[in-house]
Amino acid sequence: DTEVTQTPKHLVMGMTNKKSLKCEQHMGHRAMYWYKQKAKKPPELMFVYSYEKLSINESVPSRFSPECPNSSLLNLHLHALQPEDSALYLCASTTAGGWNTEAFFGQGTRLTVV
Amino acid sequence: GQQLNQSPQSMFIQEGEDVSMNCTSSSIFNTWLWYKQDPGEGPVLLIALYKAGELTSNGRLTAQFGITRKDSFLNISASIPSDVGIYFCAGSRNNDMRFGAGTRLTVKP
Repeated sequence: DTEVTQTPKHLVMGMTNKKSLKCEQHMGHRAMYWYKQKAKKPPELMFVYSYEKLSINESVPSRFSPECPNSSLLNLHLHALQPEDSALYLCASTTAGGWNTEAFFGQGTRLTVV
Repeated sequence: GQQLNQSPQSMFIQEGEDVSMNCTSSSIFNTWLWYKQDPGEGPVLLIALYKAGELTSNGRLTAQFGITRKDSFLNISASIPSDVGIYFCAGSRNNDMRFGAGTRLTVKP
């Protein structure tokens, strides 16, 4: 099973709303990632969790708040977003450590901020 | 973060032709990965490479991990219409995985 499951697939939210994106994997991977992808651009790294601890934060605005409640789950809490935050948000997982192996992606959450 | 330079940016080829694309970086990576992404979907892993000099095939796809660990290429042989899409390289080290800008492939029947 190389599946990474993201929910919801689509999300429309207002600028005053609070919502959460969810990601789940059962491959035993201990590194999990959030990426943001704008149209016709590559995925852009936001956060990395390694062994449930935040290891990389690419200076992402505080209106994005990641959480890793256990080794299989990764959340991204959203609050007071801006229209320019509309994008495809991708979750990925891989083995943790200096030598990462295959990394698998979920199908993404298409987020629209209105 | 590390910068990956992927080329070409786009390719228009005839069905049956071979395709080659590559990525270079100023930083070394421990793992090179190649993905294909269709519109609105997540990237799908095509090939993963772990050793400098490694040459790996997956059907019509062949990829190599450069000796310097700073580059990789992907070849697609005998292209078919369903090869259309965006191909991304990614380099990974110490849980830090970065992407090239992508190569948009169009295959004309």
